[in-house]
Amino acid sequence: DVVMTQSPLSLPVTLGQPASISCRSSQSLVHSDGNTYLNWFQQRPGQSPRRLIYKVSNRDSGVPDRFSGSGSGTDFTLKISRVEAEDVGVYYCMQATHWPPWTFGQGTKVEIK
Amino acid sequence: EVQLVESGGGLVQPGGSLRLSCAASGFTFRSYWMHWVRQAPGKGLLWVSHINGDGSATTYADSVKGRFTISRDNAKNTLYLQMNSLRAEDTGVYYCARGLEYWGQGNLVTVSS
Repeated sequence: DVVMTQSPLSLPVTLGQPASISCRSSQSLVHSDGNTYLNWFQQRPGQSPRRLIYKVSNRDSGVPDRFSGSGSGTDFTLKISRVEAEDVGVYYCMQATHWPPWTFGQGTKVEIK
Repeated sequence: EVQLVESGGGLVQPGGSLRLSCAASGFTFRSYWMHWVRQAPGKGLLWVSHINGDGSATTYADSVKGRFTISRDNAKNTLYLQMNSLRAEDTGVYYCARGLEYWGQGNLVTVSS
C-alpha cells in the first residue's frame, strides 16, 4: 500500500500570512496514463471533507485561488497564499493512483495563532 | 446540485450487524464510482470500500474484507454498506462519496457493549 506522510501535523498561522503543507508518498504517484492522482481535502470543524485540489494542481469549482497545489513524483505541497479565518481545519492529501486502497495522509491541523 | 444523504447508523453491540444507506440525487448515479470512507472519533480518514457504476466491481480495505459488503441499487439511486461482525474499531463516522469528490454529511456508527 502507498503510505502518505504529511508535515507538519499542526500548523499555527497568522491571519493574512502564507501557509504550506507537505505531503510525501512512499512511491511515485505517476500513473501509467501519465496523470498524477494526488488530491487535497479540507475538513472544517464539524463538517464533511471537501475536495480542494485534484491531480496535483487543479482547483475544484468554488475553491478560492489562494489555494494552490504543486509537486511531482513523490513530493507534493498545498499552499495557502494568505490564510483567512475560514481556512481553519484539517487538511488531508490522498493518492488515487495505486488503488486499492486509496490512501490518505494523517492530516495537518491549521489553526490561527 | 449533488446531494448524498447517509442513514442507518447507530449503536450496535460487538459482533452485530448494521446496514448503511446513502441516497444520491442531483446527478446520474449509475455513471459514477462510489466510495465509503470512515473517520474514527478524533482521527483521520480511512478509505473503506468502492463500487463501480454498474456494481460489477468492488474493492475493500483489508480491515473490513470479508465482513463488509458494498452494493448499489441504480434504480433507487442508493448506495449501501452491509456491515457484519462489527468490532469496536469499526466505530466512527461513515461518509459516502461520489468519486471521492462529493461527500455526504456522514453517519455515526458506534460499536459498543
